[in-house]
Amino acid sequence: GQQLNQSPQSMFIQEGEDVSMNCTSSSIFNTWLWYKQDPGEGPVLLIALYKAGELTSNGRLTAQFGITRKDSFLNISASIPSDVGIYFCAGQLANFGNEKLTFGTGTRLTIIP
Amino acid sequence: DSGVTQTPKHLITATGQRVTLRCSPRSGDLSVYWYQQSLDQGLQFLIHYYNGEERAKGNILERFSAQQFPDLHSELNLSSLELGDSALYFCASNRRLGGNEQFFGPGTRLTVL
Repeated sequence: GQQLNQSPQSMFIQEGEDVSMNCTSSSIFNTWLWYKQDPGEGPVLLIALYKAGELTSNGRLTAQFGITRKDSFLNISASIPSDVGIYFCAGQLANFGNEKLTFGTGTRLTIIP
Repeated sequence: DSGVTQTPKHLITATGQRVTLRCSPRSGDLSVYWYQQSLDQGLQFLIHYYNGEERAKGNILERFSAQQFPDLHSELNLSSLELGDSALYFCASNRRLGGNEQFFGPGTRLTVL
């Protein structure tokens, strides 16, 4: 099945650093979602983007819907230990009858003490 | 807590067997989506039900089937299990057709021995 390209695959940072990750697709989407998954848990929705060029924030998280509708970006500022986990982007066409989410390959974030 | 519940949390079974995974959506949500998460394929969409009717199929094997009941809970049936079916199975829900944000349950970890 299709997976979107996410980069980087993994990140090792120190607490307090800012983080940037991105997601690219060969096809366009109408909606981009960003999820975080902790080990053994289900993905938790962080941010939803609905319009090309849109920039949306949720606390220390900021995400952008790429202008081409084929990419999205997530930034985390001033990272803290609870930010550790795997971050997934997900694209959706959101047409009736085609509401599935297509997920990225994930970015694993580790904070070095 | 997303409000989506899944049972069981863990399931260990043998090849050739049949299992049933259960999902209860958030209160008021009419759509249920099933996803499979494996190490090699990532998170993949399986099937979508809305108010008891199948809406879309993804990469779902013929050995797998699902249904959504009048009380809106859903079951995913996996039969003739193979080693490669070992994975995390998630359901997600949202309120309406065309709804973008999907809220995930904690998942069922299936191990086929």
